[in-house]
Amino acid sequence: EVQLVESGGGLVQPGGSLRLSCAASGFTFSDYWMHWVRQAPGKGLVWVSLIYSDGSSTSYADSVKGRFTISRDNAKNTMYLQMNSLRAEDTAVYYCARVVAQGGGWGYWGQGTLVTVSS
Amino acid sequence: DIVMTQSSDSLAVSLGERATINCKSSQSVLYSSNNKNYLTWYQQKPGQPPKLLIYWASTRESGVPDRFSGSGSGTDFTLTISSLQAEDVAVYYCQQHYSTPYTFGQGTRLEIK
Repeated sequence: EVQLVESGGGLVQPGGSLRLSCAASGFTFSDYWMHWVRQAPGKGLVWVSLIYSDGSSTSYADSVKGRFTISRDNAKNTMYLQMNSLRAEDTAVYYCARVVAQGGGWGYWGQGTLVTVSS
Repeated sequence: DIVMTQSSDSLAVSLGERATINCKSSQSVLYSSNNKNYLTWYQQKPGQPPKLLIYWASTRESGVPDRFSGSGSGTDFTLTISSLQAEDVAVYYCQQHYSTPYTFGQGTRLEIK
């Protein structure tokens, strides 16, 4: 069974840093691109970042470019999101997600981890 | 960036009736080399992550009831629930993954009338 489990969220002051993790199991992690998606309280879904299966390429939403860094350790079946210079508007539930085998949609999601940026 | 616009922020439909949610992209999400629309529909219930319903605009994900269907191509897409059930109350999102940044529609909140 495919499982994605996020961790690392919490309360952080503006300007602070946090590292999120997404632990994967039940599939060959190194075969899949992975994504981070966030959702501010009561708001819609926003794609944050993606990383290729081998980590060779990454992409970011403009709102986090230069502040967030996505990475992965295929030996540990884990993806990370290093978040620096955090702002109040980064407050959200952060989900990791993976496409279904057929490649057309993100059929696997974690339960999310809440990041709150506040003084 | 491709902007995804859903036709309504909220929709109220009677049980057993048809529900239709429209989604328009600011540019085509049809990839000519494989003739696939990079358009996905998700359902999200409170406190839960999104659930994949439809991908490639019209392919139903395994396990999704057949009352859910997707249609459209290019820039205009529709999610149809043929006979609304109480458990379908949720927020529905369209999303394009044709090009980064992968963008979502604003969401349509579906309620029972």
